[in-house]
Amino acid sequence: GQQLNQSPQSMFIQEGEDVSMNCTSSSIFNTWLWYKQDPGEGPVLLIALYKAGELTSNGRLTAQFGITRKDSFLNISASIPSDVGIYFCAGQGGAQKLVFGQGTRLTINP
Amino acid sequence: NAGVTQTPKFQVLKTGQSMTLQCAQDMNHEYMSWYRQDPGMGLRLIHYSVGAGITDQGEVPNGYNVSRSTTEDFPLRLLSAAPSQTSVYFCASSYLDTQYFGPGTRLTVL
Repeated sequence: GQQLNQSPQSMFIQEGEDVSMNCTSSSIFNTWLWYKQDPGEGPVLLIALYKAGELTSNGRLTAQFGITRKDSFLNISASIPSDVGIYFCAGQGGAQKLVFGQGTRLTINP
Repeated sequence: NAGVTQTPKFQVLKTGQSMTLQCAQDMNHEYMSWYRQDPGMGLRLIHYSVGAGITDQGEVPNGYNVSRSTTEDFPLRLLSAAPSQTSVYFCASSYLDTQYFGPGTRLTVL
């Protein structure tokens, strides 16, 4: 099946630092999505990207849909303790079916 | 609105037992899906439904059955549980491109 490669798998940063993570795919997607998952909870949508080249922000989060439609990145600026969690990218092709990356586990040292 | 609800939250089964994981949504969404989440694997699509009476297989359907008799409910059945089905299971419903996830069911098969 389709696979997304998400990196890095984990990050350990100091509070206040900026964070960057990305996803690449061998397939083209029509939509790229970024989710955050807190322990014991389901993923929650952070940002949705619908057009190649699109750059979208949501507060301190910024994500871009790659020009080739095979990649996307997520940046978090000035990290705070509540940013801790697992971040997933997901690509959407047809029929609303999502393919998820393996996740990036973010740990923040105060 | 309760959103997407899942029961039970935790379950332990013995190999060969059967059980049904329940999922319900009160948002009148047509599209619902089931995912499993394993460490380092992200979320993988098991089955999905685009409306009452219509279901289809996802990436990892073997060992699971689904039915969709109403818009609200989308149960996932394990007919003969195996240790390889130990995982966290998430149900989701979606409107347009936004998928809303339930809190998950943590299943252990001994």
